[in-house]
Amino acid sequence: DARVTQTPRDKVTEMGQEVTMRCQPILGHNTVFWYRQTMMQGLELLAYFRNRAPLDDSGMPKDRFSAEMPDATLATLKIQPSEPRDSAVYFCASGFGLAGVEEQFFGPGTRLTVL
Amino acid sequence: AQSVAQPEDQVNVAEGNPLTVKCTYSVSGNPYLFWYVQYPNRGLQFLLKYITGDNLVKGSYGFEAEFNKSQTSFHLKKPSALVSDSALYFCAVRPGGGGADGLTFGKGTHLIIQP
Repeated sequence: DARVTQTPRDKVTEMGQEVTMRCQPILGHNTVFWYRQTMMQGLELLAYFRNRAPLDDSGMPKDRFSAEMPDATLATLKIQPSEPRDSAVYFCASGFGLAGVEEQFFGPGTRLTVL
Repeated sequence: AQSVAQPEDQVNVAEGNPLTVKCTYSVSGNPYLFWYVQYPNRGLQFLLKYITGDNLVKGSYGFEAEFNKSQTSFHLKKPSALVSDSALYFCAVRPGGGGADGLTFGKGTHLIIQP
């Protein structure tokens, strides 16, 4: 049963610290998305990649967030320095397709708390 | 920019009764529409999608949705609700025929099925 995996599942850190979240997409999927979920804003798209190339990161605060795909099996989302307002659940999702019609498969999320 | 409205924060339905979760959207051009479900402390799961063709789309777990272009709606329905259907439901949209692939989600609707 292929699944998207995310690590860590929970992260508590102090303001100013660096946070790195990792995602392993489903093998063979060529598109990876990062979303953030908060009570106030709901689900927001942060960035996405196709065939490891970044296509859109307009949803990310550029000064502190960065997203990369070092290889096809790993996507990372980094926050440096972290702030309390970054507290949220961060979801990675993957899919396969070229036209955007594919469903996205979501990981279990990383719950980030910044104190 | 596209947007999704889910006008009800919560919908309460008695088990065995039909259910409807409402969704309206705004997007340039033809829409690609999706419904996802989220159980507590889990990632989102795909239910169904409308890309083109028949306006009535059937999905997982007995759910279906009807695309109505004139009303820009994509309401989720099920003929007979189960207690296990209780969850948070998200409607999402992206513009069809190219462009950004990331989904824009509604705020979500809590569906509560009462025994």
